[in-house]
Amino acid sequence: QSVLTQPPSVSAAPGQKVTISCSGSSSNIGNNYVSWYQQLPGTAPKLLIYENNKRPSGIPDRFSGSKSGTSATLGITGLQTGDEADYYCGTWDSSLSVHWVFGGGTKLTVL
Amino acid sequence: EVQLVESGGGLVQPGRSLRLSCTASGFTFGDYAMSWVRQAPGKGLEWVGFIRSKAYGGTTEYAASVKGRFTISRDDSKSIAYLQMNSLKTEDTAVYYCTRDGPYNDAFDIWGQGTMVTVSS
Repeated sequence: QSVLTQPPSVSAAPGQKVTISCSGSSSNIGNNYVSWYQQLPGTAPKLLIYENNKRPSGIPDRFSGSKSGTSATLGITGLQTGDEADYYCGTWDSSLSVHWVFGGGTKLTVL
Repeated sequence: EVQLVESGGGLVQPGRSLRLSCTASGFTFGDYAMSWVRQAPGKGLEWVGFIRSKAYGGTTEYAASVKGRFTISRDDSKSIAYLQMNSLKTEDTAVYYCTRDGPYNDAFDIWGQGTMVTVSS
């Protein structure tokens, strides 16, 4: 059971838009920045979004992030088959001690 | 090119030890905190722990699941981070990734390719 809750899977057709939610609490999302990671099959994770809504250099603007209260959302527009991957949210948690937490991951299927 | 390369994985019996290395290149290693993240087969990502840069004391934090068994250290002169794993359990079987913390706030911007650790008798 992950501290951050994500839907196990989402799906949409090519060209469509999808959102992935990440729900937490005041000890994590509520008081810290959220980042998002994409893990293509058989590869290492890659940073997609940092500080809730910023994109590293090289990440297309089809990817966006937002945060409200104790929840965060990743949005992907103009879906491509190459976007099929697992997506993880993450942030610091200070409930017991300083430690980092990831969501359980969401498998995106582009139909 | 900014790069992290893990090494040292393999098959180890329960109760034994293993040390992983993460060799960095393309950036000033000593300026950054470094984390280890693992992924059990077919499962999600799990943060293992991290080590702050010397500028912030070089101190460490660990996940509850490994605290007291795993130790993270760093050699800035060699640009290497280490993960010493003692008293290994079957549930420690995973791909272990080394990551760089920053330069953004609260994000792992660079990841290694990972090294597989299998704990089995």
